[in-house]
Amino acid sequence: QITLKESGPTLVKPTQTLTLTCTFSGFSLSTTGVGVGWIRQPPGKALEWLALIYWNDDKRFSPSLKSRLTITKDTSKNQVVLTMTNMDPVDTATYFCAHNHDTSAYDYWGQGTLVTVSS
Amino acid sequence: QSALTQPASVSGSPGQSITISCTGTRNDVGGYNYVSWYQQHPGKAPKLMIYEVTNRPSGVSNRFSGSKSGKTASLTISGLQAEDEAEYYCSSYTSSSYWVFGTGTRVTVL
Repeated sequence: QITLKESGPTLVKPTQTLTLTCTFSGFSLSTTGVGVGWIRQPPGKALEWLALIYWNDDKRFSPSLKSRLTITKDTSKNQVVLTMTNMDPVDTATYFCAHNHDTSAYDYWGQGTLVTVSS
Repeated sequence: QSALTQPASVSGSPGQSITISCTGTRNDVGGYNYVSWYQQHPGKAPKLMIYEVTNRPSGVSNRFSGSKSGKTASLTISGLQAEDEAEYYCSSYTSSSYWVFGTGTRVTVL
């Protein structure tokens, strides 16, 4: 059974750096073809894809946010960490992590974590 | 990076069929068969309904089907039920090796 869960601060101040952790179980991020991605959703708005890290440490980023994002994995801890610098109120959103296999689709999702950016 | 275009809303009566379109470019929907569809109920995480244009994950009702023609993918829900009322998003892999989601479609069961 594959599960994922996001954790991190619920409130960050403008200009601060956000660090989110995705802790997962039921699969290994050292298995060929496996990836973990991050997707966010501002309140009342559409999903926006952010980043993905593959089993081989290959990384993909949204072109519009690439300069602000970092994604890393800790295979031994079954965790993926996303950092986003220079947070702004427009970055207020629910952040989801999700499992991806062979580039195909995001088949398992975490419950999401709401991050509010406010002074 | 532009979101895929979906109609804002689609509605139908119970038992009817509805179709949601998802229009992209040759660099995403038109160029790859990595088109997927997600259902999202309020306050919940998205759920994968269709992957690789036409495939249903185990456990998803066969009332849901997907197709693609050129740069437009479609999700059809047949035998519409009250539980189908939700937001639906398409997604596609792109030629620049990232993913893009659609603008979302609100499905209302009349």
